[in-house]
Amino acid sequence: NAGVMQNPRHLVRRRGQEARLRCSPMKGHSHVYWYRQLPEEGLKFMVYLQKENIIDESGMPKERFSAEFPKEGPSILRIQQVVRGDSAAYFCASSPEGAEETQYFGPGTRLLVL
Amino acid sequence: LAKTTQPISMDSYEGQEVNITCSHNNIATNDYITWYQQFPSQGPRFIIQGYKTKVTNEVASLFIPADRKSSTLSLPRVSLSDTAVYYCLIKGAGGYNKLIFGAGTRLAVHP
Repeated sequence: NAGVMQNPRHLVRRRGQEARLRCSPMKGHSHVYWYRQLPEEGLKFMVYLQKENIIDESGMPKERFSAEFPKEGPSILRIQQVVRGDSAAYFCASSPEGAEETQYFGPGTRLLVL
Repeated sequence: LAKTTQPISMDSYEGQEVNITCSHNNIATNDYITWYQQFPSQGPRFIIQGYKTKVTNEVASLFIPADRKSSTLSLPRVSLSDTAVYYCLIKGAGGYNKLIFGAGTRLAVHP
């Protein structure tokens, strides 16, 4: 029973490029969450999605960031025109219907913007 | 918004019991208390969750007093591999299940 999968594990981008981070939730999980973690800090909530719906995006920056969780395929966190301040670890978590308070995290994608 | 307060760091030695206390004064009636563990370069890992009194699993115990304004994570007989950051979380306000992470407690286990 595979856990939450994220790819790539490491991503290097130059300023102005786009970054696409993918997350496949655990089998049977229909809720996906994205978090960002800066060095030596705790995780910060970004967005909560269910299939084809954004439930809560209160933690998403207003510009350049978007997320989706299509009916088929992984959830995507997209960062357009990356800047150095976007360098961080991005974690995806998933939870099953009816047990949303228990979230299972993936290994994260470490984004480095040069 | 339920905010948590926990020690920034703790030190222990192999074989000892470690207790990490978290304060959450304005926890809501329906909120659960959840603890996560995070190793360097890894995602947080769920350890234990509880609502009241005591919960025990194969990894840890969680003690919650009647007023639920605090909770204590107890790790029995720690080993070097328990060195990690431990986060106490309360389900976020607004009912949308976002987890609010604080800075966590950095536990260092020494030989």
